[in-house]
Amino acid sequence: AQTVTQSQPEMSVQEAETVTLSCTYDTSESDYYLFWYKQPPSRQMILVIRQEAYKQQNATENRFSVNFQKAAKSFSLKISDSQLGDAAMYFCACCASGTYKYIFGTGTRLKVLA
Amino acid sequence: DTAVSQTPKYLVTQMGNDKSIKCEQNLGHDTMYWYKQDSKKFLKIMFSYNNKELIINETVPNRFSPKSPDKAHLNLHINSLELGDSAVYFCASSQAGVGALYGYTFGSGTRLTVV
Repeated sequence: AQTVTQSQPEMSVQEAETVTLSCTYDTSESDYYLFWYKQPPSRQMILVIRQEAYKQQNATENRFSVNFQKAAKSFSLKISDSQLGDAAMYFCACCASGTYKYIFGTGTRLKVLA
Repeated sequence: DTAVSQTPKYLVTQMGNDKSIKCEQNLGHDTMYWYKQDSKKFLKIMFSYNNKELIINETVPNRFSPKSPDKAHLNLHINSLELGDSAVYFCASSQAGVGALYGYTFGSGTRLTVV
């Protein structure tokens, strides 16, 4: 069975600093995709970044980047120059190529301190 | 112009009632989903439809019945509501098949409270 684990229930970061959110996963699939979603207090789920497992290059979207370690099954999210608007729940998700359903982690609540 | 819209956003109802949540997407996607987010924020898939055909049906009580009249709509009907059904229900859509790997678009969720 596929699993996604986020071991940090809550993290804090000072405004303008960098923070890394951890995610590990387990799947028997050889080809799969990984995602980070953001859920602010508005409750809306927003796609932050995605990574294709067959690509060695880490994905980057503006201030958001990932550190993808396929052998270790690790997929962490780095947020640079943190802003107050980054405060939210962050969910890691894994989607196997054959099923198209996402398995979500339990989330990490990120607080940004002014 | 909302891409995935759910109604209602909030729903408070008594135990034993029957209620429906509606979802519509205007993205032209073929696949739609229902996810449940519990009080601990855990998200779990319930159902998925591809072009009106049920393709994912997780272990969900049969009091929950999805209905997809067309590929742009996926409704969720819940019979005999129980306290444990209180949660936020998210609708999402994606391109079909491999397209799902580019990400879901979520609705804003429906907070269901059963009293």
